[in-house]
Amino acid sequence: DQQVKQNSPSLSVQEGRISILNCDYTNSMFDYFLWYKKYPAEGPTFLISISSIKDKNEDGRFTVFLNKSAKHLSLHIVPSQPGDSAVYFCAASANFDMRFGAGTRLTVKP
Amino acid sequence: KAGVTQTPRYLIKTRGQQVTLSCSPISGHRSVSWYQQTPGQGLQFLFEYFSETQRNKGNFPGRFSGRQFSNSRSEMNVSTLELGDSALYLCASSSGTANEKLFFGSGTQLSVL
Repeated sequence: DQQVKQNSPSLSVQEGRISILNCDYTNSMFDYFLWYKKYPAEGPTFLISISSIKDKNEDGRFTVFLNKSAKHLSLHIVPSQPGDSAVYFCAASANFDMRFGAGTRLTVKP
Repeated sequence: KAGVTQTPRYLIKTRGQQVTLSCSPISGHRSVSWYQQTPGQGLQFLFEYFSETQRNKGNFPGRFSGRQFSNSRSEMNVSTLELGDSALYLCASSSGTANEKLFFGSGTQLSVL
């Protein structure tokens, strides 16, 4: 049961440009949303989160947008850097139950 | 403060065997969650333990089981291994309050031949 969906398996952008990663969810009970970044041979690491009472949260180059009515969130990275190349997982949580999407592999070209 | 530690790092088993994976959470964390990562499927939730009790469970067959000890360390067991069980198994810990970020270990790469 894919409650969290990332429909783009991969994304390639030029260094300095904006990267936009998208995520959709189906369960209305989710009220907390997170993005994780994963490098090969390492576990995912937390990047940024947003509560359902907000529609935007910003942390440096990273901004997460939440559209509750569309059950959609997105992660914007501006400007993109080669070191941002990794797999990005979207996650949604309802209390103690956190579900993840399939991930989007971001490649930032120099 | 040490991070989440998973052992072993790599494991090779044959079909029909069973396997036990271990996870030591960050000191002070009482919740441990297990996920299976396969290409294209992302992180599939297996189960979550808090204070030695299973609090949440995903949609995996009964061959997948787990437990948590009084020191919060957790083990995951898979019996009667199938080829499709080949995956990266990730453990994550947290303090156990609602809607908080998880801290992941590096995972155990299981290959079933």
